Amino acid sequence: GDSVTQTEGLVTLTEGLPVMLNCTYQTIYSNPFLFWYVQHLNESPRLLLKSFTDNKRTEHQGFHATLHKSSSSFHLQKSSAQLSDSALYYCALNSGTYQRFGTGTKLQVVP
Amino acid sequence: ETAVFQTPNYHVTQVGNEVSFNCKQTLGHDTMYWYKQDSKKLLKIMFSYNNKQLIVNETVPRRFSPQSSDKAHLNLRIKSVEPEDSAVYLCASSPDRGQNTLYFGAGTRLSVL
Repeated sequence: GDSVTQTEGLVTLTEGLPVMLNCTYQTIYSNPFLFWYVQHLNESPRLLLKSFTDNKRTEHQGFHATLHKSSSSFHLQKSSAQLSDSALYYCALNSGTYQRFGTGTKLQVVP
Repeated sequence: ETAVFQTPNYHVTQVGNEVSFNCKQTLGHDTMYWYKQDSKKLLKIMFSYNNKQLIVNETVPRRFSPQSSDKAHLNLRIKSVEPEDSAVYLCASSPDRGQNTLYFGAGTRLSVL
């Protein structure tokens, strides 16, 4: 069945360093939609960015990701981490009728 | 912009009791969902409704039952709660069946003693 695999657990970064959170997926669906959601403390998840176009970079709020169907990947990147980026990040895959979420990666940015 | 409204915010109950959670969206979306977020922050689909019709019913215990009166409302009833039901229940809506952005409510945190 469909699945989403993310960088496990906690990623701790020093402010100013680049961010890369990995996401790979498996699906039999030929046109998957991939999403990144961000959940800050005591809030609910909200969309960060999304894509369904192969090899096209999508950007929002300083973050970017490119869907690569050849490698089934949709990694989240940012050139310079900020303290306010500390949050839980979910990668999600549309599998036809609903979005299936990965296990989430907690990003902690420290001074 | 809060457009998916959930009540209550918190609920504490004892094993065996019945609970009900409400969700309303004012976005005019056709599809609504219930997701469960457990203590490890795993986010799993429970149910999905499209225009009042149940379209997804993942493997959840039979004590869980969704109810939809119209496309703007999706409630969740848990008959005879168990300790493992302690979690945050997130309601969400989207314009279509999962290919578009999910808009989440603030969640209902359930604690089962």
